[in-house]
Amino acid sequence: NAGVTQTPKFQVLKTGQSMTLQCAQDMNHEYMSWYRQDPGMGLRLIHYSVGAGITDQGEVPNGYNVSRSTTEDFPLRLLSAAPSQTSVYFCASSPRPGGSDTQYFGPGTRLTVL
Amino acid sequence: ILNVEQSPQSLHVQEGDSTNFTCSFPSSNFYALHWYRWETAKSPEALFVMTLNGDEKKKGRISATLNTKEGYSYLYIKGSQPEDSATYLCAFQAGTALIFGKGTTLSVSS
Repeated sequence: NAGVTQTPKFQVLKTGQSMTLQCAQDMNHEYMSWYRQDPGMGLRLIHYSVGAGITDQGEVPNGYNVSRSTTEDFPLRLLSAAPSQTSVYFCASSPRPGGSDTQYFGPGTRLTVL
Repeated sequence: ILNVEQSPQSLHVQEGDSTNFTCSFPSSNFYALHWYRWETAKSPEALFVMTLNGDEKKKGRISATLNTKEGYSYLYIKGSQPEDSATYLCAFQAGTALIFGKGTTLSVSS
């Protein structure tokens, strides 16, 4: 199993550009989530999904869209990038939504918005 | 918005010292409390998931306790080693989402 994979590892965007951060897991996990990590802020939840076709907002959803058309994939879309979205983005998955299961994290995507 | 507090924010100890950190979380609507270890330039790795009041878990030199009634968990490291240097995150689970604290960064000098 590859676990949780994220692409790209690094990305530089200009203000106003759009892009999609990819996340995939091969563990048949129902729950997937996106976090951003900023200095001094810890991990903040952006969006999450409890299964294919179901998504919900976390703490900091503004400026991001998600969809979950398959169990395996959970892409994060930046509609119009802003410098405030410069961050490291982590995708995570766990077997069951609401269960006390460990979350498995991907390697992260480091995004810089100029 | 649920608030998860960790203290201290950072800690510097000598090799062989024992240390502990605190995670405070809401005492209502508790489902689980997670501890993660996060090394620089890597992904967070799970240490413990705790669900029951009074839970005590151990992995090698690291252990954790849980008090859901008063809303806190302690993480203990016995005989710290340089390889224990990392940020330790706790996360409160209420329902489906995890709410993370800002972490305690531990630095162990040899």
